[in-house]
Amino acid sequence: GAGVSQSPRYKVAKRGQDVALRCDPISGHVSLFWYQQALGQGPEFLTYFQNEAQLDKSGLPSDRFFAERPEGSVSTLKIQRTQQEDSAVYLCASSPTRTPYEQYFGPGTRLTVT
Amino acid sequence: KQEVTQIPAALSVPEGENLVLNCSFTDSAIYNLQWFRQDPGKGLTSLLLIQSSQREQTSGRLNASLDKSSGRSTLYIAASQPGDSATYLCAVRDDYKLSFGAGTTVTVRA
Repeated sequence: GAGVSQSPRYKVAKRGQDVALRCDPISGHVSLFWYQQALGQGPEFLTYFQNEAQLDKSGLPSDRFFAERPEGSVSTLKIQRTQQEDSAVYLCASSPTRTPYEQYFGPGTRLTVT
Repeated sequence: KQEVTQIPAALSVPEGENLVLNCSFTDSAIYNLQWFRQDPGKGLTSLLLIQSSQREQTSGRLNASLDKSSGRSTLYIAASQPGDSATYLCAVRDDYKLSFGAGTTVTVRA
């Protein structure tokens, strides 16, 4: 079946612009995660949803970052007033169970802020 | 906070040689440990998942061991091939979060 998909795959934004990154999890997956991967580093946890409830947003780096999953399926990560340090790959993952077992990752969105 | 370290950061070997990739973590209270492969510009492909109660897991040419008490895992890749060239990441699961190392970039020379 279809895996996790993300769009756009690449995004270039000028500093100060707002961006929205979309994640389509595997159908029926309860849990959804966002991670941020800076160049040459491993992914860092941003936030976690169980259905539509955002249970953990402790990894969001500032109040410019906002994530939502209003109907418990598609999720959007929004970054307001982008800064150069926001340049990274944003990875989305989903998991079928309430207690995440294996997380399945999407291809990521590469954000470049100029 | 869980810290995950991978050594070496990069590795270059001739085709056919066995690969040994190391991962260490600071908090042994983990649910499981997962090894991923990442190709340039791509997402993460899960290779092996070891539950905290297991000592090792095998898939084809890949074998991963876990010593939870010492906070270490090793990924072995037998008889390496140029197609094994990629970055390998280990991640430990604390409750629901994954904490990742920075990865080992492997180059297998033909």
